[in-house]
This record gives sequence, structure tokens and C-alpha cells, in this order.
Amino acid sequence: DADVTQTPRNRITKTGKRIMLECSQTKGHDRMYWYRQDPGLGLRLIYYSFDVKDINKGEISDGYSVSRQAQAKFSLSLESAIPNQTALYFCATSDRRNLQGANEQFFGPGTRLTVL
Amino acid sequence: DQQVKQNSPSLSVQEGRISILNCDYTNSMFDYFLWYKKYPAEGPTFLISISSIKDKNEDGRFTVFLNKSAKHLSLHIVPSQPGDSAVYFCAASGKSSGDKLTFGTGTRLAVRP
Repeated sequence: DADVTQTPRNRITKTGKRIMLECSQTKGHDRMYWYRQDPGLGLRLIYYSFDVKDINKGEISDGYSVSRQAQAKFSLSLESAIPNQTALYFCATSDRRNLQGANEQFFGPGTRLTVL
Repeated sequence: DQQVKQNSPSLSVQEGRISILNCDYTNSMFDYFLWYKKYPAEGPTFLISISSIKDKNEDGRFTVFLNKSAKHLSLHIVPSQPGDSAVYFCAASGKSSGDKLTFGTGTRLAVRP
């Protein structure tokens, strides 16, 4: 029972192509995030959205754009893909009502993107 | 500037023994620290967290220790099991960073049967 889903799970594309990665969640969370994982670099934040009308750049937003179509959907676009955008991409969600305050995030299964 | 560091890229431990994963941070404004576990072909899953006002939090076989003066935290897994073999990420959050999570680079744990 996947609460956070990502499509596609794998994608191979060519330099210069436009790519969209999609994320959907059934957790009812208001906050959504996009990360990329590279070997030896951990998870780095690309964009985040605290609600449908609130979208913010993360530490590595250059070359990416996002759209929050609804509370449950957050898509990431690569307008013109380049080889150094080859990475694992993860979507995550969190609930601002988490009273513990640790901002525990729930991750999707990831999309492996290869740009040739 | 890496605010959260995991200096050991890998760790190998015998089944039944203790696994200790370490994490250092530089930002004294972090309010919470979290550990995530990641298996291949899956997303990271939350494991355990600790508030900056505490020095220990325990959940079954997993205990996290926080040493604020040293800006260091560690995750202890006792006893280690082969199913614990995964990549472990340390993360930190705080109001000063807008509650965003800052992740370390991860440590790959291998538990030998």
C-alpha cells in the first residue's frame, strides 16, 4: 500500500530532452519535497512546497522546475536534460501538524534517471 | 559547506554484535536529528529521531545518542541482524532552516551472518 508514489521508476533520455517526474501521495500531507541522490553526496534538496501556493528553491534548483498541481501532486521537470542530472530522484512528504517537530519525511520509491 | 557529515562511508559488523554509526554536524541551531534507513531500489524510511534537548532516545534495538557539546550523534543497533544491512542517513532539521532536512552522505552497513 504505497502512500507516496513516483512515476516513472526508471527513465533513460537524451541530452536536451524535456523530462517530467511525477509524485503523488495519499497521506494527506501538505508539505512535499524533491531530492536527488548522487553517490557520495547523500540527498540534496531541489525544491520544496509547503502548500499548493507555496513553492521554494532548495540548494540545487538550477536546471529544474516544479509544479504543485494539487495538495497530493508535485511534479519535477528538467527543461533540457544534461548528463550531470543523471541521478536517483526522490519525492517526500511531511505533515506540518507533526507535533513532535522533527519534520519526519516520508519518501517515495525513487526514479532512476539516466541522461545520455 | 557540508553541515551534516558522516565520515565513514561503510561499516561491516558481525551478526549479533553492536553497530555504531556516527554523524557530526556544524550548525548549533538544529533542533532535531533523524536517522533514515535505505534499502536498494527503495526510498529512505524513517528510523528514529532525537530532540536537541535530549541526549538519548531508544526504540527497541535502536538507540540514538546526542552529544551537543561535541556536535556529534551516533546510532547504536544492538544486536545487529542481517536485515539491518542498508545505507543509513543522518539528517538534521531546525526552525532556523525552515524545518527542512539536511542530510549526511550516508554510511553503508553490512551485517555478516
